[in-house]
Amino acid sequence: GAVVSQHPSRVICKSGTSVKIECRSLDFQATTMFWYRQFPKQSLMLMATSNEGSKATYEQGVEKDKFLINHASLTLSTLTVTSAHPEDSSFYICSVRVANTGELFFGEGSRLTVL
Amino acid sequence: GEDVEQSLFLSVREGDSSVINCTYTDSSSTYLYWYKQEPGAGLQLLTYIFSNMDMKQDQRLTVLLNKKDKHLSLRIADTQTGDSAIYFCAAFQTGANNLFFGTGTRLTVIP
Repeated sequence: GAVVSQHPSRVICKSGTSVKIECRSLDFQATTMFWYRQFPKQSLMLMATSNEGSKATYEQGVEKDKFLINHASLTLSTLTVTSAHPEDSSFYICSVRVANTGELFFGEGSRLTVL
Repeated sequence: GEDVEQSLFLSVREGDSSVINCTYTDSSSTYLYWYKQEPGAGLQLLTYIFSNMDMKQDQRLTVLLNKKDKHLSLRIADTQTGDSAIYFCAAFQTGANNLFFGTGTRLTVIP
């Protein structure tokens, strides 16, 4: 079964609103979670690394005030797309890395459409 | 950073073997992964290999790693139509705590 649950799987919102996407680790505690974005027909792009109890580390070119990441517990990280615009429409995926094996487990992804 | 490259497309006939290739640039990458992505779905971890290994086999999947050439391959034996998907290789750098993905190879299996 799934070890990483991502919600919602699809969301449509109006331009200017904010959208929150949740990523939950179901079977183990996750000190580190990753957030990715996938543009159509392109590879995944790492947006930020989310560390439990501390501020996320953002990749170059990713606006931290636009994409707010909160990792308040060992099983939950959230990505909030603030003041969304149509160009933010994309497929957002989270992942969790198991510390002792290096395996990465991915959520099913969340497709955001901003009208 | 790290550059991970893959060819974009591969077509094979059902029952044949598929070989998907990947190259990376940073020799400090410690874990190398293969993921499968079906349309509209999230990534599915297929297999991974540690950088100190040169081969790993898991049922129909065989991963070969040439660390000297920084070349990774995924062989799918007896390819089926259900194997049609995009396959991503990814390199993880422990020190940087970053995962770098290739562009993905779209595998099309012809019945």
